[in-house]
Amino acid sequence: AQTVTQSQPEMSVQEAETVTLSCTYDTSESDYYLFWYKQPPSRQMILVIRQEAYKQQNATENRFSVNFQKAAKSFSLKISDSQLGDAAMYFCAYSGYGNKLVFGAGTILRVKS
Amino acid sequence: GAVVSQHPSRVICKSGTSVKIECRSLDFQATTMFWYRQFPKQSLMLMATSNEGSKATYEQGVEKDKFLINHASLTLSTLTVTSAHPEDSSFYICSATTGTESTDTQYFGPGTRLTVL
Repeated sequence: AQTVTQSQPEMSVQEAETVTLSCTYDTSESDYYLFWYKQPPSRQMILVIRQEAYKQQNATENRFSVNFQKAAKSFSLKISDSQLGDAAMYFCAYSGYGNKLVFGAGTILRVKS
Repeated sequence: GAVVSQHPSRVICKSGTSVKIECRSLDFQATTMFWYRQFPKQSLMLMATSNEGSKATYEQGVEKDKFLINHASLTLSTLTVTSAHPEDSSFYICSATTGTESTDTQYFGPGTRLTVL
């Protein structure tokens, strides 16, 4: 079975600074997708970024980028120029055969002004 | 973008009663819908996968007779918590997708907070 591990229960960042959230996963599948979701206090799940496993190029979405290391099964999220609105719970997720999402435990990101 | 709604957003019920939660895809046809459960400050746990017109597939440890799922149309799936007890109190989230491939993005509803007294 696939597993996703987020080893950082909480992270803090100063406004305008950069922060990196860690995620590792385990799978025997060769074709899969990886995601970062944001869950603000409203609890609405918001897709931040996604990465196709077969693509070597790291995905980027404005201030959000990933460092995808397939051999190491690592998928970290970098948030640049952090904003107060980035404060939320961040979940790393894996999707493989059958399109089921497996979520990590989450990382609470606090942004200090 | 694709929008998924859930109703109700909050529900409080007495122990022993049944509660129905609706999940609707508003601007697309959802071949597959997923139901998750989330306890406070914890991750989302997949409960079941439902495909339109067929029986839901439940994850290990989820009681299918307690959590009844119906996906009668391409835009509506319902989760009924039968004979609810306080331990069923949780945040229930649905998601919808147009297919079954790992390439298909899941769009999430805003969730339903269930409190069983």
